[in-house]
Amino acid sequence: EAGVAQSPRYKIIEKRQSVAFWCNPISGHATLYWYQQILGQGPKLLIQFQNNGVVDDSQLPKDRFSAERLKGVDSTLKIQPAKLEDSAVYLCASSSGQGYGYTFGSGTRLTVV
Amino acid sequence: AQSVTQPDIHITVSEGASLELRCNYSYGATPYLFWYVQSPGQGLQLLLKYFSGDTLVQGIKGFEAEFKRSQSSFNLRKPSVHWSDAAEYFCAVGAYRGGSNYKLTFGKGTLLTVNP
Repeated sequence: EAGVAQSPRYKIIEKRQSVAFWCNPISGHATLYWYQQILGQGPKLLIQFQNNGVVDDSQLPKDRFSAERLKGVDSTLKIQPAKLEDSAVYLCASSSGQGYGYTFGSGTRLTVV
Repeated sequence: AQSVTQPDIHITVSEGASLELRCNYSYGATPYLFWYVQSPGQGLQLLLKYFSGDTLVQGIKGFEAEFKRSQSSFNLRKPSVHWSDAAEYFCAVGAYRGGSNYKLTFGKGTLLTVNP
């Protein structure tokens, strides 16, 4: 089966600019996650979708980050405006739920200068 | 809330030597436990998982892990390390928080260096 697709792989932007990331999960996976991984740290959950509804966005900085999964399939994560501390790898993962591990995409490496 | 501690930030072993990476978790009930590996510039790949049953679980690439409830641990082992095992390893605990709200919480990772 095809894996989790993410684009772009790399992005460099200046602070205060906006950026968007795209994720296409494994077909049939109802649950989709966005994680932020800062260099030297483990992934931190930003937002979790179940189909097209948000299950958990408690750690999403909502003043600048937004995410949507309109048709319950692919998803976009947006940052506007970006700050230097947003430099990280943004990982998308999907799951068939029910306690299984996730399948991760290769991530988008964001550098804010 | 669940949490994961990986006490070793960086471990260096010689090729062919045995390996043990430590992981301790905190969770009130029986957890779902996972080990992931991340090579540079790549996403996370699942090595193995524990849900229930036999406390010694086998994974891919010759890795195994043992769940010890009394110690709240889930250490990863490999009897003979290969140079290609050099990567960062993450332990994670999964738990439901009501309804469909299932979440994986990751440790900070252990970076493995393999010397020739």
